[in-house]
Amino acid sequence: GQNIDQPTEMTATEGAIVQINCTYQTSGFNGLFWYQQHAGEAPTFLSYNVLDGLEEKGRFSSFLSRSKGYSYLLLKELQMKDSASYLCAVNDSWGKLQFGAGTQVVVTP
Amino acid sequence: DAMVIQNPRYQVTQFGKPVTLSCSQTLNHNVMYWYQQKSSQAPKLLFHYYDKDFNNEADTPDNFQSRRPNTSFCFLDIRSPGLGDAAMYLCATSRDRGGGETQYFGPGTRLLVL
Repeated sequence: GQNIDQPTEMTATEGAIVQINCTYQTSGFNGLFWYQQHAGEAPTFLSYNVLDGLEEKGRFSSFLSRSKGYSYLLLKELQMKDSASYLCAVNDSWGKLQFGAGTQVVVTP
Repeated sequence: DAMVIQNPRYQVTQFGKPVTLSCSQTLNHNVMYWYQQKSSQAPKLLFHYYDKDFNNEADTPDNFQSRRPNTSFCFLDIRSPGLGDAAMYLCATSRDRGGGETQYFGPGTRLLVL
């Protein structure tokens, strides 16, 4: 079966660092995506990992360990506009995206 | 700017009254997807078109249908909406189907069923 787990909510202060973990068990694996979704808006693409290791893109970094079925999204120098839901999504054998339920990040002043 | 457009952004319908949601794209992508997303839940894939080839998910109710008259447009028809169909409906596109293809989402249509 398909199972993608991520924490429901995380709170951090402006300027801090937050790490959002995602574990997965899926039928096949063709990479893992992270999307950002502000309330009432569409998900927007943040990152894609298909090989093990860390991908850095400005304030956001994403890590993947295929053997552990584990990924994390690291948000640095948090800003108020980073308050959003962060969705982990696995690209399965058929090229479809299997989404987690999302982690709501709340950034406080 | 190339984009995915959904109309309307908000749709109110009555229980049992057919409703159509529309999606268009200027990305010239081959694949178009429809997702249903309920509050605090993961987006759930309903179906997708690979060019003109329609692919239904096994657990998508028969109440949901789709049409893709050309590359740019795709429609979601809900034949007899129930209260449980109230949700955000997201349209997405990708250049091709398969591993590593990024999906680009429209702003969504929020459906309310009275």
